[in-house]
Amino acid sequence: EDQVTQSPEALRLQEGESSSLNCSYTVSGLRGLFWYRQDPGKGPEFLFTLYSAGEEKEKERLKATLTKKESFLHITAPKPEDSATYLCAVQARDYKLSFGAGTTVTVRA
Amino acid sequence: DTGVSQNPRHKITKRGQNVTFRCDPISEHNRLYWYRQTLGQGPEFLTYFQNEAQLEKSRLLSDRFSAERPKGSFSTLEIQRTEQGDSAMYLCASSGQAGGSPLHFGNGTRLTVT
Repeated sequence: EDQVTQSPEALRLQEGESSSLNCSYTVSGLRGLFWYRQDPGKGPEFLFTLYSAGEEKEKERLKATLTKKESFLHITAPKPEDSATYLCAVQARDYKLSFGAGTTVTVRA
Repeated sequence: DTGVSQNPRHKITKRGQNVTFRCDPISEHNRLYWYRQTLGQGPEFLTYFQNEAQLEKSRLLSDRFSAERPKGSFSTLEIQRTEQGDSAMYLCASSGQAGGSPLHFGNGTRLTVT
């Protein structure tokens, strides 16, 4: 069975204090690893797809990287508007997405 | 691109009643997914369609849950004889055909069973 584990569960940062979120996974036949951002009361918002080990994607202050067993989401010089829950998910051969429980990031001004 | 639309946004019902939710996917997407999310957890897979065919249903889904996607367009999720444990956010997502295409989510229907 596909498994996704995210750490830490919660992260409190000072504005400008860079950090990283971890997503470790086991999956049969990875089609893609996805990162989403979710704000309270809303659905997940797509950020990145990573397809193979060594791949990196960037968007503003966020950078996602992928190895064969884990992915990292690096947040560089975060701002309060980066506060959200970040979800990692893997898509297997059957096209289902399996999610981790998420990391809730709070950035204080 | 108007995004994935879900209705209603909120539903409060009494235990034992039936409820139905609707999802309108992004128009060119042929895959449609239903997920359930409870507080502090990631979304949990319920079922998915490719066009009008329901291809997989989670073994965690009881017989009280049924989903349809007539003509491969919008989808409905019905819960019969609701229980308090059904209280959750029900999320719909759609994606393109290619493997690795991202799922795009709606803002969900929040169900509260009293």
